[in-house]
This record gives sequence, structure tokens and C-alpha cells, in this order.
Amino acid sequence: QLQLQESGPGLVKASETLSLTCTVSGDSISSPYYYWAWIRQPPGKGLEWIGSFYYSGITYYNASLKSRLTISADTSKKQFSLKLTSVTAADTAVYYCARHEFRSELANMGVWGKGTSVTVSS
Amino acid sequence: SYVLTQPPSVSVAPGKTARITCGGNNIGSKSVHWYQQKPGQAPVLVMYYDSDRPSGIPERFTGSNSGNTATLTVSRVEDGDEADYYCQVWDSSSDHVIFGGGTKLTVL
Repeated sequence: QLQLQESGPGLVKASETLSLTCTVSGDSISSPYYYWAWIRQPPGKGLEWIGSFYYSGITYYNASLKSRLTISADTSKKQFSLKLTSVTAADTAVYYCARHEFRSELANMGVWGKGTSVTVSS
Repeated sequence: SYVLTQPPSVSVAPGKTARITCGGNNIGSKSVHWYQQKPGQAPVLVMYYDSDRPSGIPERFTGSNSGNTATLTVSRVEDGDEADYYCQVWDSSSDHVIFGGGTKLTVL
């Protein structure tokens, strides 16, 4: 059964780098049928897509975050990671990782991690 | 960039039908996916490719998509359906995943 688990520090200081990892069990992140994504949700607000990547190296980033964002993967560890630099209070959110179905385009996210809460402190 | 518009809230009595809309320019030409999120939990996919239901989702949940509006319909609403619902598309023009702002379904 596919499971995704986010991990990382729950508290990050403003101007520093937020680093999170998603560990995948029950599937390979090298599967040609799926992309892998990061999504976040600020307190009391809606879902915001951060970015998605494919095992071949193709990545799509939210333009509003692109200059600060890197998504990468370690296929041997079945992990993919998010690094967001120069964080501010606006980056405080619950961060989720998820698996995208992929046909002719990125589609639904059928499996999600439970999410990890990150607070940016001043 | 592409925008999806959802009503902030929809209220319905138990046993009645709730319709949650997702508006977007020519959204009928895109594939729409819907998520249910209960407080403190991760989102759960309840509809994909407009009208396909994942296994485990009750038949009371149906979806449609035409013109400028996609709709998630919940029939015979139950207390357990109370949640936030989000629509989502892939915008190939910008290579972005787009979420709607979310709709809070309240069961009266």
C-alpha cells in the first residue's frame, strides 16, 4: 500500500532555508506513470501547489516560488525533497507531498501524505 | 494565469442534494479533479477526470463539467460529508497545477 511521509523541522527562522523530505513506501518514485508533488496550506487558507517533478528530471514550479524553490529526488532512498530559501512568515503552512497521476498531462493527486506543519519565526 | 472560482460556502440539510461549483474560462475543455478535506486531515480525492469516482467514494458523489462550470454533486447528504472541497486542474498554458479557493460544505 502506497504511503507518503513528510519530515523536516517544524520551526524555521525567517530568511533561512526550509528543507523538507517526503519518503515514499509501497511504490517507486522512478515509476513512469506518476509525478510527485509538494502542496502547502497556510493556516485557515486553501491549497497552494508548490511544484511537481518526474523521475526523468522534468520539474514544474509555481512561478510565485520559482526563484526560491528547488525540488529534487533520491531514487535510491525513495525520497524527494523541497528546499525553499529566504523564508518569511508567509511561508508558514502545512506542507503536503502527494503523487500525481500522469497521462497526457499532470492529473489528479490520488495519494497524499499526512502533512507536516512548518512555522517561520522572526 | 488560469483562475478557478468556487463559492466560499454551501449549506444543505441532511438527505438533500449539495452542488459545489468550480468556475473557469472554458473549464469544460480541461479535466477537473475534486478533493475533500476535513479539519486537521490531508485532502482526499473524491472525483477525477470530471466524473470518475475513486474506489471507496460513495456513489452519492458525482461530477460533471461543461462550458465554464464544473460541478461536484453530493446526493443524500450526510453529516460526514461536512468538509472543505477543492477543485483542481492542470493549466497547460502556464504548466501549473491550479486549485480553486475551496468551498466549505455545511450540513445543517
